[in-house]
Amino acid sequence: SAVISQKPSRDICQRGTSLTIQCQVDSQVTMMFWYRQQPGQSLTLIATANQGSEATYESGFVIDKFPISRPNLTFSTLTVSNMSPEDSSIYLCSASGRSYGYTFGSGTRLTVV
Amino acid sequence: GENVEQHPSTLSVQEGDSAVIKCTYSDSASNYFPWYKQELGKRPQLIIDIRSNVGEKKDQRIAVTLNKTAKHFSLHITETQPEDSAVYFCAASLSGAGSYQLTFGKGTKLSVIP
Repeated sequence: SAVISQKPSRDICQRGTSLTIQCQVDSQVTMMFWYRQQPGQSLTLIATANQGSEATYESGFVIDKFPISRPNLTFSTLTVSNMSPEDSSIYLCSASGRSYGYTFGSGTRLTVV
Repeated sequence: GENVEQHPSTLSVQEGDSAVIKCTYSDSASNYFPWYKQELGKRPQLIIDIRSNVGEKKDQRIAVTLNKTAKHFSLHITETQPEDSAVYFCAASLSGAGSYQLTFGKGTKLSVIP
């Protein structure tokens, strides 16, 4: 399966600011996926990032709040904009590489104060 | 869209006993069903998966069964060990090859008591 490097691993941010999270995959992948995981909860899909087109957002998530870039087949970024304490969560990217199965980045633990 | 239900939400077993976690899904088009183990503070790790053309798959102490007619699949862990303690998530997708998202169940917190 793909190996995904994600950074930063954690950050503490002031409300009203923005944070950009990066994911680098060790192989070319068609789709990359961004998830949010609240403490003690399951993973909720934010959006699907397809290279060369706009990301597809799930219900409850909008581009102005979570802009995504996908400049090539191995890299994607998720920005959490105009942050509030409710955005405090773990953010994870995911992809499936040359072989079957999805792997995850190590996650970004975001705390908004 | 797809909806995945997972039970139980918590499960405690004695070391050496078996553990079973069950999931149901709603979209009959789903054909890829992975299971992830997530330890505290770590990323979800794929432990086993099954595709819809297979009814059962085994890997040492872990097995997964799939009933496509009933739209449910289960994770079986035998001879449980304390290091099996974690949160387990089931998921469903239209494909495991990367073109479709995973929809996750709510998770099962497994505690193995020494």
